[in-house]
Amino acid sequence: DAKTTQPPSMDCAEGRAANLPCNHSTISGNEYVYWYRQIHSQGPQYIIHGLKNNETNEMASLIITEDRKSSTLILPHATLRDTAVYYCIVRVVNPYNQGGKLIFGQGTELSVKP
Amino acid sequence: NAGVMQNPRHLVRRRGQEARLRCSPMKGHSHVYWYRQLPEEGLKFMVYLQKENIIDESGMPKERFSAEFPKEGPSILRIQQVVRGDSAAYFCASSHGIYSYEQYFGPGTRLTVT
Repeated sequence: DAKTTQPPSMDCAEGRAANLPCNHSTISGNEYVYWYRQIHSQGPQYIIHGLKNNETNEMASLIITEDRKSSTLILPHATLRDTAVYYCIVRVVNPYNQGGKLIFGQGTELSVKP
Repeated sequence: NAGVMQNPRHLVRRRGQEARLRCSPMKGHSHVYWYRQLPEEGLKFMVYLQKENIIDESGMPKERFSAEFPKEGPSILRIQQVVRGDSAAYFCASSHGIYSYEQYFGPGTRLTVT
């Protein structure tokens, strides 16, 4: 799987949008971008994933650049409960490998402050 | 729809004893993954199983660790003759594997070896 690079930490004011960047310059054409987060000591939580197009769900939006070498996870109105480590992961997903393992990097520690 | 269940949530074992960690996947999921998080470290993949089959055990330590996912019942991660270095949080995740590949994590089992 391609490697990702994320800033180790970020701060965000409560109620503001949190924009978390991720670089994946060696991503292959068949690799998806996945985002997970881990709130202190809890199990990781799936947030969103995408291949080429921007994606949005009830939790967040994912913006992928046209060349697919980077992406940004957007939490539109961050709350204190969004304080967590956010992981950007790229992986090949198809019916043959059925997803396979997740390789977690160091992630970005997001602190949402009042 | 209940999420991934893990038990026990906390497990204390003396050096040399056996630890058995259980994971019940989400309803309809037939793919199970185990990850380990050592204190102050990142999440590391251990093993990927489908019903009655080990698909990928590339992250499993060579000795003392084993995993199974029987036709009936939960997946079991077994650690024989535990040592202090086995103290960690062990997370289980499940995925559907056919219609979707997102992994959903359980709350984890915190193993403490004394």
